[in-house]
Amino acid sequence: AQSVSQHNHHVILSEAASLELGCNYSYGGTVNLFWYVQYPGQHLQLLLKYFSGDPLVKGIKGFEAEFIKSKFSFNLRKPSVQWSDTAEYFCAVNALDAGGTSYGKLTFGQGTILTVHP
Amino acid sequence: DAGVIQSPRHEVTEMGQEVTLRCKPISGHNSLFWYRQTMMRGLELLIYFNNNVPIDDSGMPEDRFSAKMPNASFSTLKIQPSEPRDSAVYFCANMPVRAEQYFGPGTRLTVT
Repeated sequence: AQSVSQHNHHVILSEAASLELGCNYSYGGTVNLFWYVQYPGQHLQLLLKYFSGDPLVKGIKGFEAEFIKSKFSFNLRKPSVQWSDTAEYFCAVNALDAGGTSYGKLTFGQGTILTVHP
Repeated sequence: DAGVIQSPRHEVTEMGQEVTLRCKPISGHNSLFWYRQTMMRGLELLIYFNNNVPIDDSGMPEDRFSAKMPNASFSTLKIQPSEPRDSAVYFCANMPVRAEQYFGPGTRLTVT
């Protein structure tokens, strides 16, 4: 079964600092990749996604992520964080079987809490 | 479109009571997922449906948990009897296209 690992449990930054959150997955086949964000007390919202094509994908609010297939990684980046980016970030993988079927099942990482100080 | 609707938003109940959580998915979306989120275990997939049929319920923790999707517009997650360790936020998620899931606001369940 596939698994998703997020390297950092809690990241603390000051405003304007650059951000990179690591995500690695274990699955040798075709995957769809996602980053979700959960603001305090709210539900998960899609930040960005990768299905195919350009491995550098851009999402909302200035976030981007790069898919490196050889490293089974999908790291999230933002060049300059804001206080409003304080949230928990989840990496998720949708693994497709040989026939390309998955029913959309996602495997989530354990989440990374980002705290941005003003 | 109102998005995924869950009710109640908060539920406080005593141990041993039956709890029913409800989800109204986005109209026309075929797949529905129930998740549980706790500080200790993170986000766990409990069960998911495709075209109202349960596909995988291996994440359901115990027989006390059951889920149904009688039609495309409604799903329930039931816990009977409830226990304090069931306290969590339960999310319903819907998938319109290609694995992109939309989450409901969640139900915060507290079992005392």
